[in-house]
Amino acid sequence: DTAVSQTPKYLVTQMGNDKSIKCEQNLGHDTMYWYKQDSKKFLKIMFSYNNKELIINETVPNRFSPKSPDKAHLNLHINSLELGDSAVYFCASSHSGRNDYGYTFGSGTRLTVV
Amino acid sequence: KQEVTQIPAALSVPEGENLVLNCSFTDSAIYNLQWFRQDPGKGLTSLLLIQSSQREQTSGRLNASLDKSSGRSTLYIAASQPGDSATYLCAVPSGGYNKLIFGAGTRLAVHP
Repeated sequence: DTAVSQTPKYLVTQMGNDKSIKCEQNLGHDTMYWYKQDSKKFLKIMFSYNNKELIINETVPNRFSPKSPDKAHLNLHINSLELGDSAVYFCASSHSGRNDYGYTFGSGTRLTVV
Repeated sequence: KQEVTQIPAALSVPEGENLVLNCSFTDSAIYNLQWFRQDPGKGLTSLLLIQSSQREQTSGRLNASLDKSSGRSTLYIAASQPGDSATYLCAVPSGGYNKLIFGAGTRLAVHP
């Protein structure tokens, strides 16, 4: 199946821990994103990579560090987790420069910090 | 700065009604507009994408229109069904790398 896949789907962890979320797409897209959906269900972009290069870095605490080993993979590492980091994190991908292509989203990772 | 507004925030209707969901955006210099559906606890499913050169797109009972000059899009759902119950999100790209800016969504409940 062609898709954007994220792991894990659920993540429950204690404050202060470090955790990673992984994302992979097999759509041949060249741009990948991390979005955060907060408790009010509002979706906001965090980061974007184009061909492994960081191109969008919104105002995000530097405890969040994305890494893109290749254009099909984008990971998100979070250090020193805080209660306020609890949210659903979505990975997405798209073709840059293609107005007829939209975004494809993964199914999300629900992070709960206790 | 691009801002996206969706009206209404919530809608509850009996099965069979035809529905109109509204989306407005502040910067009309967009390449396309995308409508998504999100079921509770699930990811986003793309419903329709309208390119800036197009006026509308149709998929089954869904029809989306785009009026760039007025900064508006509507999603029309014909003959609504309980399975249409979900949150509908409108999004437009902003900036050189097309980061998507989302509206807050319309939460739709269709009851039998």
